[in-house]
Amino acid sequence: EDQVTQSPEALRLQEGESSSLNCSYTVSGLRGLFWYRQDPGKGPEFLFTLYSAGEEKEKERLKATLTKKESFLHITAPKPEDSATYLCAVSGDAGGTSYGKLTFGQGTILTVHP
Amino acid sequence: NAGVTQTPKFRILKIGQSMTLQCAQDMNHNYMYWYRQDPGMGLKLIYYSVGAGITDKGEVPNGYNVSRSTTEDFPLRLELAAPSQTSVYFCASSYGRAGYTFGSGTRLTVV
Repeated sequence: EDQVTQSPEALRLQEGESSSLNCSYTVSGLRGLFWYRQDPGKGPEFLFTLYSAGEEKEKERLKATLTKKESFLHITAPKPEDSATYLCAVSGDAGGTSYGKLTFGQGTILTVHP
Repeated sequence: NAGVTQTPKFRILKIGQSMTLQCAQDMNHNYMYWYRQDPGMGLKLIYYSVGAGITDKGEVPNGYNVSRSTTEDFPLRLELAAPSQTSVYFCASSYGRAGYTFGSGTRLTVV
């Protein structure tokens, strides 16, 4: 069974204070690791997909990295508008019609104070 | 381009009532999913579909039913609502290995 654990559960930062969010996973045959941003009262918004260990992707102040056991979402010089819940999810090689299913972590609530 | 549209946005049901949560996507995605999100529990997969006429159970299917008669629509049916089904429901769609596109959610309360 695929499992995803995110840490910390909540993170408070001052504006400009860089930090990282962690996503540890166990999966049978990783097809993809996904990061999403979720604002209160809204659906998750896609950020990145990582497919293999060593891969990195960047978008504005966010950078996602991937190893064989975990992924990090690095936030550089965050701003208050980066405040949101960040979700990590994996798609495993269950084969057949289960392709595309995601297993989500519980999320990290990020608050950036001005 | 609307993406994934969910209706209604909010609903209060009495115990034992039934309802259908609507989901429609206009991106011609083959995969569609229903998740529920409870505080501190993350998103749990209820049902999914890989194409019109093909559906399968996810992690928490009990108390729910789905159908997929067209590529665009994937309604979720709740029969005999129970307080345990109080949650926020998200519909999503995807194409192959690409990331999901989520709807804005339906907040359901069963009293």
